[in-house]
Amino acid sequence: GDSVTQMEGPVTLSEEAFLTINCTYTATGYPSLFWYVQYPGEGLQLLLKATKADDKGSNKGFEATYRKETTSFHLEKGSVQVSDSAVYFCALSGRSNDYKLSFGAGTTVTVRA
Amino acid sequence: ETGVTQSPTHLIKTRGQQVTLRCSSQSGHNTVSWYQQALGQGPQFIFQYYREEENGRGNFPPRFSGLQFPNYSSELNVNALELDDSALYLCASRLAGEVLETQYFGPGTRLLVL
Repeated sequence: GDSVTQMEGPVTLSEEAFLTINCTYTATGYPSLFWYVQYPGEGLQLLLKATKADDKGSNKGFEATYRKETTSFHLEKGSVQVSDSAVYFCALSGRSNDYKLSFGAGTTVTVRA
Repeated sequence: ETGVTQSPTHLIKTRGQQVTLRCSSQSGHNTVSWYQQALGQGPQFIFQYYREEENGRGNFPPRFSGLQFPNYSSELNVNALELDDSALYLCASRLAGEVLETQYFGPGTRLLVL
């Protein structure tokens, strides 16, 4: 079935550092790809999305590009802040999983001042 | 603030007991999904309800059941609790026909089974 594999954490960075979280997927067809963020004590929030190859999703300084040739959707941010400390989940949804969300295991990111 | 609330926030049960978790969706959202998030893992889809009927289910046994009510609230019931049921349970609501991006998650209920 459809699945997502993302970089294991935890990841600890200093403020203003560059962040990359790798995400690769296995799916039949052309799924939509998502990054969700979970701040401590809160529910999941959609961070960004891409629905077709070469689409770039972006939000709050984060970016991810849908790469069909490498089946990847890596998350990047050029200069992180303490407030970016959270757990980040890569997810997909497509026809083969009946358009339900399939999540990766999550990557915990801690940004130090 | 997503407009989706869940209760209780935390719960402790013992093996073999039954538990009911509650979710209050955004007004007008007629589709609700439930997810189980075990510690250190991503959320796993349990099932989805649309207009008070189950219309999609993940790889979970029948002792996981649900209800959806006309007032946009819903319940997740788990019978014969097992230790592995310890997890964060998330509900998410949206309007049927809207894309998944319009789905809003609640903060979750953390269940501990001893």
